[in-house]
Amino acid sequence: GEDVEQSLFLSVREGDSSVINCTYTDSSSTYLYWYKQEPGAGLQLLTYIFSNMDMKQDQRLTVLLNKKDKHLSLRIADTQTGDSAIYFCADGSGGGADGLTFGKGTHLIIQP
Amino acid sequence: DAGVTQSPTHLIKTRGQQVTLRCSPISGHKSVSWYQQVLGQGPQFIFQYYEKEERGRGNFPDRFSARQFPNYSSELNVNALLLGDSALYLCASSPGQVGQPQHFGDGTRLSIL
Repeated sequence: GEDVEQSLFLSVREGDSSVINCTYTDSSSTYLYWYKQEPGAGLQLLTYIFSNMDMKQDQRLTVLLNKKDKHLSLRIADTQTGDSAIYFCADGSGGGADGLTFGKGTHLIIQP
Repeated sequence: DAGVTQSPTHLIKTRGQQVTLRCSPISGHKSVSWYQQVLGQGPQFIFQYYEKEERGRGNFPDRFSARQFPNYSSELNVNALLLGDSALYLCASSPGQVGQPQHFGDGTRLSIL
């Protein structure tokens, strides 16, 4: 079945860039998403990319997609303490009937 | 504008009981999806509804059911609760057209004793 894999933890220094990686197996994925979850909260949509794009930039966030290798990354520039959260990669067919398939999430830890 | 709202925020039940969770989508959104998030895992897809019809179902037993109302709000029902049903239940809404992302509520934390 479909699978999404992420590293469980990433530790970075405040002010540095964070790069969170994700791999997926579903070759029919049309859209790929990044969500952020803070403790005790739901999921906040950060950004998403259509599968025919290679890159998308939105302020401090840059998403890179390598469709050949089924690899997605999220770069957060100038990482701040408020960026500390769990980041989920998800793939889907753009609102299709199978819902979104999520990875287990990457815990982003910010060191002062 | 109000985001996706879910009620209740927390719920405690015992094994064998039944529970109903409620979700109101963002105004104008016609699609509602339900997900189960067990501690330490990513959300797992349960159901998707669009225009009051079930559009998709994940790999969950028949004890799980849902419906969508004419105002696009939705309910998730779980019968014969098991300890393993303890989780955060998330509702997400979207306009429903291809390419429009899902927006999540803060979830209902269900604990089974």
